[in-house]
Amino acid sequence: DTAVSQTPKYLVTQMGNDKSIKCEQNLGHDTMYWYKQDSKKFLKIMFSYNNKELIINETVPNRFSPKSPDKAHLNLHINSLELGDSAVYFCASQGAGANVLTFGAGSRLTVL
Amino acid sequence: QKEVEQDPGPLSVPEGAIVSLNCTYSNSAFQYFMWYRQYSRKGPELLMYTYSSGNKEDGRFTAQVDKSSKYISLFIRDSQPSDSATYLCAMRANQAGTALIFGKGTTLSVSS
Repeated sequence: DTAVSQTPKYLVTQMGNDKSIKCEQNLGHDTMYWYKQDSKKFLKIMFSYNNKELIINETVPNRFSPKSPDKAHLNLHINSLELGDSAVYFCASQGAGANVLTFGAGSRLTVL
Repeated sequence: QKEVEQDPGPLSVPEGAIVSLNCTYSNSAFQYFMWYRQYSRKGPELLMYTYSSGNKEDGRFTAQVDKSSKYISLFIRDSQPSDSATYLCAMRANQAGTALIFGKGTTLSVSS
């Protein structure tokens, strides 16, 4: 069973479209994250939720909206996609009192 | 100055070589230090985790943290072709609501 699973794995879409990426973890962790990895492999924090509550919201355009229906799920919705949104988006989770993150396999978004 | 600096490489070594990977950082509040390994088209996976200053060894891997110099290192002994990957340093402060901050990653290639 995959600990942190993301869908879809690949997403190709046109500029201006709206898309969502879903993430689920079965580790019982309280905290979940979205990171963006650009073409140069730089991993940058976007959002973090702890028990469905937003705790980290970095400087990310308003077109990006995370949603956490429960502590095992954290979804990312992106409106009006732009070319610069092309990247790999990683979901990660962290247990209570722990400092290490467990990552999903990533969702590769290509905006044409 | 970026919070975490890491030379992206690429670094190419022959099999059996000793590899040294390094990161410097500017935030003296960082207390937890990690190294993640990322294979192509996969998510980052935790390799080493160290709290505060000191050394930690795990098989062929040794992590060192020098907080006085704000410098961390990962050594790989007897490198193998299977070690070919991108190595990302990561760190965070001992403070609720703070995220794990990553370096840009060093791409390592070990040739047989």
